[in-house]
Order: sequence, then C-alpha cells, then structure tokens
Amino acid sequence: DGGITQSPKYLFRKEGQNVTLSCEQNLNHDAMYWYRQDPGQGLRLIYYSQIVNDFQKGDIAEGYSVSREKKESFPLTVTSAQKNPTAFYLCASSMASGGAYEQFFGPGTRLTVL
Amino acid sequence: GIQVEQSPPDLILQEGANSTLRCNFSDSVNNLQWFHQNPWGQLINLFYIPSGTKQNGRLSATTVATERYSLLYISSSQTTDSGVYFCAVRPYSSASKIIFGSGTRLSIRP
Repeated sequence: DGGITQSPKYLFRKEGQNVTLSCEQNLNHDAMYWYRQDPGQGLRLIYYSQIVNDFQKGDIAEGYSVSREKKESFPLTVTSAQKNPTAFYLCASSMASGGAYEQFFGPGTRLTVL
Repeated sequence: GIQVEQSPPDLILQEGANSTLRCNFSDSVNNLQWFHQNPWGQLINLFYIPSGTKQNGRLSATTVATERYSLLYISSSQTTDSGVYFCAVRPYSSASKIIFGSGTRLSIRP
C-alpha cells in the first residue's frame, strides 16, 4: 500500500524544546516537501528536497531544520528559535521537483506548544 | 512572485445544489492541482490539470492556461463534499515550488 506517513498525529511541546516530526514515503518519489498551515489559511512551504543529501529553504524556513539521508525519509525539526510553532504540518512528495509532477500529501501532524 | 486567488472564500449550499469554484493566477504555470481538505486535515488530490478539462464523477475541472484561471465544478453536492478546496500552482519561474491559494470553504447543509 503506497503512500506517505507522518508521525505523530498530535504533538505537544513545552516552550524552549526542539521537536522532530517524521515523514516517510514508499512511492519512490525523488522530491519531498514540508508545509505549514495556520488556522483558516493556505499552505506555506518550509523546506523542500529534490534528491538525497540536498535540500533548499522555502518561504518560511527560519526556526526549522531538515535532513534527507534516505530517499524515503524527510524529517523536520522545529527548533526553539521558531517564534510561533503551533500549527498543522504537512509533508508531501512528488516524482521530481522540476517539471510538471503531481504532489501527494501525508495526513499531517498537529503541533501545539504549551 | 506569483499570486493565486480563489473565490469565493466561503460558500454555503443545500445538499443537491451545484457550485463553481474559481482559481486565478498571475503568471504562467506548468502544473495546477485541485485539492479537497477534509475536516481531519487530510489533503485529497482531486485533479492534476495544467490545461484542458477533466471529469471524475460529480466533479469536473477546467483550466484555461492562456487566460490564467481554473474552475472546479461540483454537481449534486453531498454533505461529504464539505471542507476546504485549494488550488495550487507550480510557476515556470520557480519550478521547484508549488504555491497555494487561500482556499474556498464549502459547507453543504442537509
């Protein structure tokens, strides 16, 4: 059953703590993405990766970090430097980042900072 | 950068009604997708439609790339159609990024 999985579904964090969100895909896609969604808003791009061991900043990368050590995995770390981390985080993948390729999404992680 | 505008922002309809959602974009694109976000937050792919017309059951979509807009049609609405509909485009000027509109919130009343 091919798809994108994200864990955990809900995450609570105290201020000042770093937290890592997991994203795994078994679609054999080259490109992976992280988005942030605030209530009532659209999606904003945090980071994206076109290939293993390579990634680029999106529009709102400050306070976040990523790694891409394996094709299947693209974890996102929300650091204590992120001023307002409470949000819904969505991971996506596509066959490649350039060109006209369809993007697919995981179920998301809701992060709440207490 | 490219601007993506969706209209209307909110739409309330009775079950069985038809609706048209619009997406305007300000620059040339090589990729346009329509998504439905359900109440649990999951984004469901509806159409990948950089140009032309496609149909899938009660839903259909048309993109006129030369005029920079796309339309999503929903016929015979059901309560399960409720949620937020997003248009997302990949501009030629930034092939690695997809830009989302702010969405249309659709509420179908029984």
